[in-house]
Amino acid sequence: KAGVTQTPRYLIKTRGQQVTLSCSPISGHRSVSWYQQTPGQGLQFLFEYFSETQRNKGNFPGRFSGRQFSNSRSEMNVSTLELGDSALYLCASSSGPSTPDTQYFGPGTRLTVL
Amino acid sequence: DQQVKQNSPSLSVQEGRISILNCDYTNSMFDYFLWYKKYPAEGPTFLISISSIKDKNEDGRFTVFLNKSAKHLSLHIVPSQPGDSAVYFCAATLSGSARQLTFGSGTQLTVLP
Repeated sequence: KAGVTQTPRYLIKTRGQQVTLSCSPISGHRSVSWYQQTPGQGLQFLFEYFSETQRNKGNFPGRFSGRQFSNSRSEMNVSTLELGDSALYLCASSSGPSTPDTQYFGPGTRLTVL
Repeated sequence: DQQVKQNSPSLSVQEGRISILNCDYTNSMFDYFLWYKKYPAEGPTFLISISSIKDKNEDGRFTVFLNKSAKHLSLHIVPSQPGDSAVYFCAATLSGSARQLTFGSGTQLTVLP
């Protein structure tokens, strides 16, 4: 089975721009979660989608949004980019909705905001 | 408020010896715990997990121990291999938010040949 894929792997943007990141989950997985990793804050949960519905949201401003499509693929969008948004953005998929549920991560998208 | 803590930023062990990585948590409502390994510029790789109804889980060279009364879990790697050198994260979830991982800050494990 192919793992979680994320595109693009690297991205450079300037302040004020917006960005869209894409994630394709493991085949058969219906849940997709997004995380941000920074040196200062570590790994932090952004949001989770299951069956095209946002189930949980972390403590991030409204500039961070996401969506999930009927084929379980997910996108996250960050608008009005700030320097502090520079981070590794990780997508994780799991079969859902049962608990417990193990998440498997993609390689991440490295976003640099200049 | 850090609910999951890994107090040792780094750990060095000799090849073939045991590596013990520790993790403490403060939220007694966590009911599922996971360990991930991460290399630079890659996503975390799932290693092993344990439910709060158990106190031990083994998978090959990896064993996780959970002490609920102490709110403490540990990952044992026996024997340690140079390829185990990576950052190890512990993570926890709540029953109502099974896919919202709360991560510790990570421990850099270095296995010396």
